[in-house]
Amino acid sequence: QSALTQPASVSGSPGQSITISCTGTSSDVGGYNYVSWYQQHPGKAPKLMIYEVSNRPSGVSNRFSGSKSGNTASLSISGLQAEDEADYYCCSYTSTSNLLFGGGTKLTVL
Amino acid sequence: QVTLRESGPALVKPTQTLTLTCTFSGFSLSTSGMCVSWIRQPPGKALEWLALINWDDDKYYTISLKTRLTISKDTSKNQVVLTMTNMDPVDTATYYCARTGYYSYYYAMDVWGQGTTVTVSS
Repeated sequence: QSALTQPASVSGSPGQSITISCTGTSSDVGGYNYVSWYQQHPGKAPKLMIYEVSNRPSGVSNRFSGSKSGNTASLSISGLQAEDEADYYCCSYTSTSNLLFGGGTKLTVL
Repeated sequence: QVTLRESGPALVKPTQTLTLTCTFSGFSLSTSGMCVSWIRQPPGKALEWLALINWDDDKYYTISLKTRLTISKDTSKNQVVLTMTNMDPVDTATYYCARTGYYSYYYAMDVWGQGTTVTVSS
């Protein structure tokens, strides 16, 4: 199983909005509404930001939102803040009862 | 409060078997809908899901490592154990355990341990 495809890097200025894509196949992202997104700061454990495509856990800012169209899921961050600078990973359930991560996207806040 | 903590050797030799323990609190793996996953991250690389065990003792493994992995649980001790055989230097990584949802937070890992770093070297 190949990793889900994410852009290696994205950047934006404070206050701007960005979107990170996560492309899979009909056997994973496109086949199930079980896509989650994780934020990871250097040297830290990942943190769940979005689950089931578009749901935010309690305590996660509403500046973070998720969506899906076909085989591509997306994470959007509005009103960029310096603290949003981190690595972001998508993850999807698959038809083989596995979980599959994306390759990760490094977000730089300029 | 839900917490998870990974423990195990920091250094293993090539061909040896790695045994990692995830000790958790704040939930029970005998409760319907509860699962625990193991995930690893080589230095500077992406996350890789390895295995999951659920409340009903069903076990799932990443296809590429299925022959080398075994996951098990001890509900009375609130522990999940992962063994990985025939370790190789490419298995050097930080290994995480995480609570994984089923009836809620479907297949999302909502609470993570801090990770344990394993180096494979002779």
